[in-house]
Amino acid sequence: DAGITQSPRHKVTETGTPVTLRCHQTENHRYMYWYRQDPGHGLRLIHYSYGVKDTDKGEVSDGYSVSRSKTEDFLLTLESATSSQTSVYFCAISESTSGRYEQYFGPGTRLTVT
Amino acid sequence: SQQGEEDPQALSIQEGENATMNCSYKTSINNLQWYRQNSGRGLVHLILIRSNEREKHSGRLRVTLDTSKKSSSLLITASRAADTASYFCATHNAGNNRKLIWGLGTSLAVNP
Repeated sequence: DAGITQSPRHKVTETGTPVTLRCHQTENHRYMYWYRQDPGHGLRLIHYSYGVKDTDKGEVSDGYSVSRSKTEDFLLTLESATSSQTSVYFCAISESTSGRYEQYFGPGTRLTVT
Repeated sequence: SQQGEEDPQALSIQEGENATMNCSYKTSINNLQWYRQNSGRGLVHLILIRSNEREKHSGRLRVTLDTSKKSSSLLITASRAADTASYFCATHNAGNNRKLIWGLGTSLAVNP
């Protein structure tokens, strides 16, 4: 999986609790992304980062925040989890320079909010 | 928003047959990419075709791009049971290589 790990891999939490998912890369890629995948919706971008402390919103960013204090780590936080945030979350990395535009994905985190 | 639309949504074939999946998109692009996702796993990049290219090959994969019709096709030749997966197309829109715009995917089942 191209040196990308996600933790935890599975989590069950209750509505209203904060949750943080971690993405860690060893590839030194500049871009990091958080997606969620739900049946019938495909992959939807939540937030992405184009460098340390540089982040931007995706199409479904409400209820999520991110932080990137180091090149290798990108954190996704659900401040107050809701049942609609039950999903599989994928982290991806990319160089997006020098013609290398492909994204490499982590194994995913399955989050259930009860 | 989803730009790519894959067609068909689901495809079932026998081992050894060819599988063709199509992707349509709406705006000008820099490149179009195809990814595979096995059940319960992360996506894996298969092939990228740039907007100035018309055809590209990689092993048993053949991708075509028709920018006038805003469409692409992925052909998998001599399919194997291990090709069973979901296949997604994704595009970098012209002027924006930061974000990929994803389709909803085609689910391919290759029966032994």
